[in-house]
Amino acid sequence: GAGVSQSPSNKVTEKGKDVELRCDPISGHTALYWYRQSLGQGLEFLIYFQGNSAPDKSGLPSDRFSAERTGGSVSTLTIQRTQQEDSAVYLCASSLGGGAGGPIGELFFGEGSRLTVL
Amino acid sequence: GESVGLHLPTLSVQEGDNSIINCAYSNSASDYFIWYKQESGKGPQFIIDIRSNMDKRQGQRVTVLLNKTVKHLSLQIAATQPGDSAVYFCAAGGAGNTPLVFGKGTRLSVIA
Repeated sequence: GAGVSQSPSNKVTEKGKDVELRCDPISGHTALYWYRQSLGQGLEFLIYFQGNSAPDKSGLPSDRFSAERTGGSVSTLTIQRTQQEDSAVYLCASSLGGGAGGPIGELFFGEGSRLTVL
Repeated sequence: GESVGLHLPTLSVQEGDNSIINCAYSNSASDYFIWYKQESGKGPQFIIDIRSNMDKRQGQRVTVLLNKTVKHLSLQIAATQPGDSAVYFCAAGGAGNTPLVFGKGTRLSVIA
């Protein structure tokens, strides 16, 4: 596709259930990011993948959160045993990436996955 | 680490006036700065970026100013239009494999 695609666009789940959010980045983009945006708040960094390097997981809020990126393309963010405070919009972005010493480059965002935990 | 903050959470301007949105960052090693616009229910969209070797960059109706001495960044929108109403985020990052750190955003409302 032409842009970053995320699914589902909306997800309502019960507390304690696991959820998976999917991101299809722009073809050829080596960098992929997950951010979380709570209502009326800014973007909170979660995790960053760059090429074949080990992902930067420094933003993951707890061990209930994990993400993987298969084949350097599609990424899945998994939240286990969801809590009400996990309710937010989860945004995925991709970029051409930089590499050591290079520019980060413009991030292209998807429309987000809105998660509501009841 | 980096932290990024906006000076005002909301800003209201008359249609046709110029808008200025300010942002501060904490890490003097940050060398890449970017402004995003987010309309309701959508993902953020790129507006303009600037590298630390510049202090001003202009786009279409937008100008970004960077003051590295005081670690301050601003976005100027000329002749603000109703379509400019949105939340504006600044973000800062360093070279290499570091993620952008976003501020909390300023909601711009344009009064017709």
